Amino acid sequence: GENVEQHPSTLSVQEGDSAVIKCTYSDSASNYFPWYKQELGKGPQLIIDIRSNVGEKKDQRIAVTLNKTAKHFSLHITETQPEDSAVYFCAASGGSQGNLIFGKGTKLSVKP
Amino acid sequence: ETGVTQTPRHLVMGMTNKKSLKCEQHLGHNAMYWYKQSAKKPLELMFVYNFKEQTENNSVPSRFSPECPNSSHLFLHLHTLQPEDSALYLCASSQEINVGGLNSPLHFGNGTRLTVT
Repeated sequence: GENVEQHPSTLSVQEGDSAVIKCTYSDSASNYFPWYKQELGKGPQLIIDIRSNVGEKKDQRIAVTLNKTAKHFSLHITETQPEDSAVYFCAASGGSQGNLIFGKGTKLSVKP
Repeated sequence: ETGVTQTPRHLVMGMTNKKSLKCEQHLGHNAMYWYKQSAKKPLELMFVYNFKEQTENNSVPSRFSPECPNSSHLFLHLHTLQPEDSALYLCASSQEINVGGLNSPLHFGNGTRLTVT
């Protein structure tokens, strides 16, 4: 079945810097890769997703890149702000196991 | 408001108690899910319901019993739990279930923080 590895587990950046979180997946048939943001006391919220027919997608300060050959995808946050501080989860689905398989999460801290 | 509402937000129960978690979605979705979130572990899928029918039970112990009376409501009945069952239990919904390459984003509730003493 699918296995998703996420790195780093914690990330601390200065306000205004960029943050990058990376994930790898094992099932080459996976074709849907969402990213979720979980703030303290709340459930995960979808922030951006990408499907296997594109290599990059942007939404304001957030971008996701996908390398299907290498089976990895990354979340890029530019001009980070303190409100970006949260736990971020990557996930993959669409392979032999239909349901979303999540990474372990990255705790991002943005220092003012 | 997320569109998926879970109650209660916090629950403390003894190992011999019986309690239920409730989830309601206001998004018109057809699929509903229960996930368990423990510290430093990936989200664990527990149960999947599609149009009120259970389509997946991810080897969950029988002390967890789900119920889906309609496409908008989902319950998780708890009995004789163990301390290791303490976790955040998340309900989610999606327009369709993710099979055969059909990928429908999940919408999560804010969870029930369960503590088993």
